[in-house]
Amino acid sequence: QVQLVQSGAEVKRPGASVKVSCKASGYTFTNYYMHWVRQAPGQGLEWMGLINPSGGITIYAQRFQGRVTVTRDTSTSTVHMELSSLKSEDTAMYYCARAGTGTVDFWGRGTLVTVSS
Amino acid sequence: DIQMTQSPPSLSASVGDRVTITCRASQDISNYLAWFQQSSGKAPKSLIYAASALQSGVPSRFSGSGSGTDFTLTISSLQPEDFATYYCQQYNSYPITFGQGTRLEIK
Repeated sequence: QVQLVQSGAEVKRPGASVKVSCKASGYTFTNYYMHWVRQAPGQGLEWMGLINPSGGITIYAQRFQGRVTVTRDTSTSTVHMELSSLKSEDTAMYYCARAGTGTVDFWGRGTLVTVSS
Repeated sequence: DIQMTQSPPSLSASVGDRVTITCRASQDISNYLAWFQQSSGKAPKSLIYAASALQSGVPSRFSGSGSGTDFTLTISSLQPEDFATYYCQQYNSYPITFGQGTRLEIK
């Protein structure tokens, strides 16, 4: 069965960087794009970007351009999302989500990132 | 960016009711529209893609329709586990964007 196992919660200082990982199993890793979506406390869903694990091509939302980097390791079927220059407004749950059927079909459980001084 | 507007923002209904949530795109997105369900404290769950196609394992009481700019999600007979927040999403063009959500509550 499809599983997306995300790394554990993080607490970071403003200005720091965070790297969240998402390990996929139960399917052919390189056949499905992986998206990153975040959700601030009590707020809606916000798309950050995606990666094609086959070639490593990425697309990012403009508002995160320059701050977000998504990479993949095909040897471990893992996708990483790094967000730099953290601000308090980056406090959120971060989800990886597999894209089949054109858009997201399966979600990870989320990683809580807290940015606080 | 394409703006997605859901209505209503919240909705109260009873078990067994039929409910409809609407989603409007700020420009034509053809049928590149998905719906997601998020129960409190949980990750979202994918329900519908391509405006009307059910994801695997989704009960048939869920249905979607629409094309262009106007879309609907209908739940034909509410079950207790359906009380959650629902989001639409367009994936016609980047950046992918979501509606603000519709919270479905028990009356």
